[in-house]
Amino acid sequence: DAKTTQPPSMDCAEGRAANLPCNHSTISGNEYVYWYRQIHSQGPQYIIHGLKNNETNEMASLIITEDRKSSTLILPHATLRDTAVYYCTYTNAGKSTFGDGTTLTVKP
Amino acid sequence: GAVVSQHPSRVICKSGTSVKIECRSLDFQATTMFWYRQFPKKSLMLMATSNEGSKATYEQGVEKDKFLINHASLTLSTLTVTSAHPEDSSFYICSALRWGQGQETQYFGPGTRLLVL
Repeated sequence: DAKTTQPPSMDCAEGRAANLPCNHSTISGNEYVYWYRQIHSQGPQYIIHGLKNNETNEMASLIITEDRKSSTLILPHATLRDTAVYYCTYTNAGKSTFGDGTTLTVKP
Repeated sequence: GAVVSQHPSRVICKSGTSVKIECRSLDFQATTMFWYRQFPKKSLMLMATSNEGSKATYEQGVEKDKFLINHASLTLSTLTVTSAHPEDSSFYICSALRWGQGQETQYFGPGTRLLVL
């Protein structure tokens, strides 16, 4: 199974950047890193993905280390609505295994 | 964006009855869909991989005769919980793989909350 490791919880002040780390030391060279988030009682929402270059979209930025064993999701200006569980994952034969994720709490 | 729907959003049924949950990719075709189960305050647990036109692949420990999966078209997969029992009460979530920019990305449905009495 594709395994990732994330801190169980993090707090962030509203308006500040939230930096969420993830370790994926067993990732293979052609596997993409994906980030999703899940707000209570909803299905996960796709955020961003990347292979080896840093990526940015309207939701977040993704920084992947050169050895690809870890990555950081950056929410540049966190809002209260960003409070959610954030999962990083990567696929293995098309399947993603979800770890426990990081519960991000954005505080006023 | 890629939209995946599920129906129903929540269902209550009596023990011993069967419940069917539908997962549809609304604006793209998906040869592969996944079914997950999630218990309160827990992560998503992959139950099975649904492949259009072929048999589903079940994860270890998931009973294929209890959780029947049918993927008859490129936009629809169904999960039927047969002879449901209270321990089957859970949040069931599907996802569909969409191909784009050289790789496939999972897009998730909103989930179905099942309560078995």
